[in-house]
Amino acid sequence: DAKTTQPNSMESNEEEPVHLPCNHSTISGTDYIHWYRQLPSQGPEYVIHGLTSNVNNRMASLAIAEDRKSSTLILHRATLRDAAVYYCILRDVGGSQGNLIFGKGTKLSVKP
Amino acid sequence: DSGVTQTPKHLITATGQRVTLRCSPRSGDLSVYWYQQSLDQGLQFLIQYYNGEERAKGNILERFSAQQFPDLHSELNLSSLELGDSALYFCASSEGPRATGELFFGEGSRLTVL
Repeated sequence: DAKTTQPNSMESNEEEPVHLPCNHSTISGTDYIHWYRQLPSQGPEYVIHGLTSNVNNRMASLAIAEDRKSSTLILHRATLRDAAVYYCILRDVGGSQGNLIFGKGTKLSVKP
Repeated sequence: DSGVTQTPKHLITATGQRVTLRCSPRSGDLSVYWYQQSLDQGLQFLIQYYNGEERAKGNILERFSAQQFPDLHSELNLSSLELGDSALYFCASSEGPRATGELFFGEGSRLTVL
């Protein structure tokens, strides 16, 4: 599986936007970019995913570079509840299995 | 609430013992995944089952085994337990077998081996 690189940690202030970067320079044409997050003492949860175009949902936005070698997860107004580890994961829809391969992710801290 | 149910939530046992963790997937999901999360290793994929058949294998030890039953619930059996097996074990489920849908995770089973 193609790998991703994320900063170990980031800090944000409450109610400010947060931009979480992810590099995936070896991404292939069939790789979708997925983001999951893990709140303290909980299982991971799906945030958003995309292939080429920018995507928006109720939780976040995903901005994908034109060459697809990087992407940014955008939380428009961080809340204390957004403090979590955020994982950027590539998933090959051409593969035969569905498991996610987690890296170390970015630990986001939100200050009141 | 993800719809994935894991039991027990907490388990304390001794080295050398055997335990069974249980997972009920979301209604309608045919794939079940098991993950181990320890402090130093992060989230490690163990194994995937799809409709009763093993679909993918990750870093699962030979002392560990899993199965998915006809009613689609799954069990992860851990035997000859060692101190290093202490971890959070997560189960996840998805509709299909491939990487086309999101995974829904349970709240985990925390295993402590003393």
